[in-house]
Amino acid sequence: AQKITQTQPGMFVQEKEAVTLDCTYDTSDPSYGLFWYKQPSSGEMIFLIYQGSYDQQNATEGRYSLNFQKARKSANLVISASQLGDSAMYFCAMRELNYGQNFVFGPGTRLSVLP
Amino acid sequence: GAGVSQSPRYKVAKRGQDVALRCDPISGHVSLFWYQQALGQGPEFLTYFQNEAQLDKSGLPSDRFFAERPEGSVSTLKIQRTQQEDSAVYLCASSLRNSGRKETQYFGPGTRLLVL
Repeated sequence: AQKITQTQPGMFVQEKEAVTLDCTYDTSDPSYGLFWYKQPSSGEMIFLIYQGSYDQQNATEGRYSLNFQKARKSANLVISASQLGDSAMYFCAMRELNYGQNFVFGPGTRLSVLP
Repeated sequence: GAGVSQSPRYKVAKRGQDVALRCDPISGHVSLFWYQQALGQGPEFLTYFQNEAQLDKSGLPSDRFFAERPEGSVSTLKIQRTQQEDSAVYLCASSLRNSGRKETQYFGPGTRLLVL
């Protein structure tokens, strides 16, 4: 079974609008971390935001926020005031602290910001 | 440097050739990870080091793949007798620690390997 599901292969958003990228995950480990990364066409993976499973509040980093719904096992990324430079692949990833140390990545969502 | 560096950035190999990919993690980072990313897909875990110890190599696809980190800093991923299916981007990442916010992995630019 897929541990990380990103159901949107591609998304379009108008510049300056907000967009939500979906991520659901599957784990029985009570201790885990959730991450979002951005991968522009140049190829580097850029860390955006982190949410720990015990964090009480949703994470925010500038224009990025994470809508963490633990009971539903979802960790959607919200990008506010989209910019043309936000066009990229976005990957959701999870690390289970008790069931191995490595990251598991989702298949990604390609976001295109329209002028 | 401030970030993770990888070399070479691009490598073209003939089928059957051996290749070595290098990763310089962020100074002081304990953990180092290697990933393989096929075109249009998310990265897939290959192997993980904590300092010089290779704690998990469950993702290495065959015994042709070998990784080392002898002094706990620079790491090398070696692929012997390359095959066309080895063509991918190989990403290296490092993290400060193994738990909490310190587990955030920072990635290098990757090595794009093409096997002809």
